[in-house]
Amino acid sequence: EPEVTQTPSHQVTQMGQEVILRCVPISNHLYFYWYRQILGQKVEFLVSFYNNEISEKSEIFDDQFSVERPDGSNFTLKIRSTKLEDSAMYFCASSRGGPNQPQHFGDGTRLSIL
Amino acid sequence: AQTVTQSQPEMSVQEAETVTLSCTYDTSESDYYLFWYKQPPSRQMILVIRQEAYKQQNATENRFSVNFQKAAKSFSLKISDSQLGDAAMYFCAYRANAGNMLTFGGGTRLMVKP
Repeated sequence: EPEVTQTPSHQVTQMGQEVILRCVPISNHLYFYWYRQILGQKVEFLVSFYNNEISEKSEIFDDQFSVERPDGSNFTLKIRSTKLEDSAMYFCASSRGGPNQPQHFGDGTRLSIL
Repeated sequence: AQTVTQSQPEMSVQEAETVTLSCTYDTSESDYYLFWYKQPPSRQMILVIRQEAYKQQNATENRFSVNFQKAAKSFSLKISDSQLGDAAMYFCAYRANAGNMLTFGGGTRLMVKP
């Protein structure tokens, strides 16, 4: 069964550095998402992406964050200048489309900011 | 804003027994979707079951069923004949009909005793 894959599984970065988290969504899916989970807290929505543009974003997704689909398979989340509070598990998800279509999640990337 | 609450941080069940995980949500919408996701340790979140709010009939998937009470804004998950492989974090999630984002509850850790 096709899966969403995320790389790396764990990323350690110095505060203030840029980081790019990578995701390969399921190939026939049209909607792509990023969520994050700070340790001990709820999974929180960051952004959704459709037709090469952001379709929805949360308050968390400020100017430090950006998303891109640089080619036909990858979907990336960039954090421009990382802060300590960006340390979290970041999950990528994809869906065929529509609110009744389930979102399929990757294993997540654990981001640790030092 | 929508909120999802899972009041049981941890639950345990004896193998082959039945367990019910609770979820309540708050929304002013009338049309929405509800989901239960399972996250085994160090693994990706997997959709267990989904419910459309316009459907009165409770969703069922093999050993998993829900008790959807729209007026009470309650969406509990029943696992029958519990198996060791059911041990995981279980997340309840809400999605509005017009939106892309999933709003998650805090999760319930289910332990299955042999």
